[in-house]
Amino acid sequence: DQQVKQNSPSLSVQEGRISILNCDYTNSMFDYFLWYKKYPAEGPTFLISISSIKDKNEDGRFTVFLNKSAKHLSLHIVPSQPGDSAVYFCAAMNPGAGSYQLTFGKGTKLSVIP
Amino acid sequence: KAGVTQTPRYLIKTRGQQVTLSCSPISGHRSVSWYQQTPGQGLQFLFEYFSETQRNKGNFPGRFSGRQFSNSRSEMNVSTLELGDSALYLCASTYQGGYNEQFFGPGTRLTVL
Repeated sequence: DQQVKQNSPSLSVQEGRISILNCDYTNSMFDYFLWYKKYPAEGPTFLISISSIKDKNEDGRFTVFLNKSAKHLSLHIVPSQPGDSAVYFCAAMNPGAGSYQLTFGKGTKLSVIP
Repeated sequence: KAGVTQTPRYLIKTRGQQVTLSCSPISGHRSVSWYQQTPGQGLQFLFEYFSETQRNKGNFPGRFSGRQFSNSRSEMNVSTLELGDSALYLCASTYQGGYNEQFFGPGTRLTVL
């Protein structure tokens, strides 16, 4: 069973517009969430995170929103740039289980069209 | 500060062989985690080491094992390789785990023929 789901395998957005990447989770024990970006032939790079005690976190062009009741989070990129084209992974953590392992979604490939 | 390094970057093995992959974390980081990335399953947690002790293990068979040395460098070993072990193996480090971002290395691409 997949505990973190990214239901859109791909997304295309025009340069300058908003990109919205979505992520759903099923394990209510997850209390820390992260987004990573991955280019081909490189490891994932951390983008932004959010704790379950917050519903929003911003860092420059990147904003993550968390809706705990819906078990849903989203990453907004505004404005989108061609260099943002990559695969984006949503990840969740349940430290209460004594582990800091990340549970990842399968990723969404974002293409920003110039 | 140097990032996480992994060696080798690419590896080709045949079924039944064993393989050892190496990971050097960022200087000062004491927690090292390993992940397997495949097209079908995405990124899956293998295990985490902290101060030379395995702190947690994912749902993988016993053929997958690892260890961590006193300098925090880590190795993972896969014995009796199967075709399905072909994947990108990623190592990530953090200062001591917890609510901290994990810094990933570039990965080792393992192909099993």
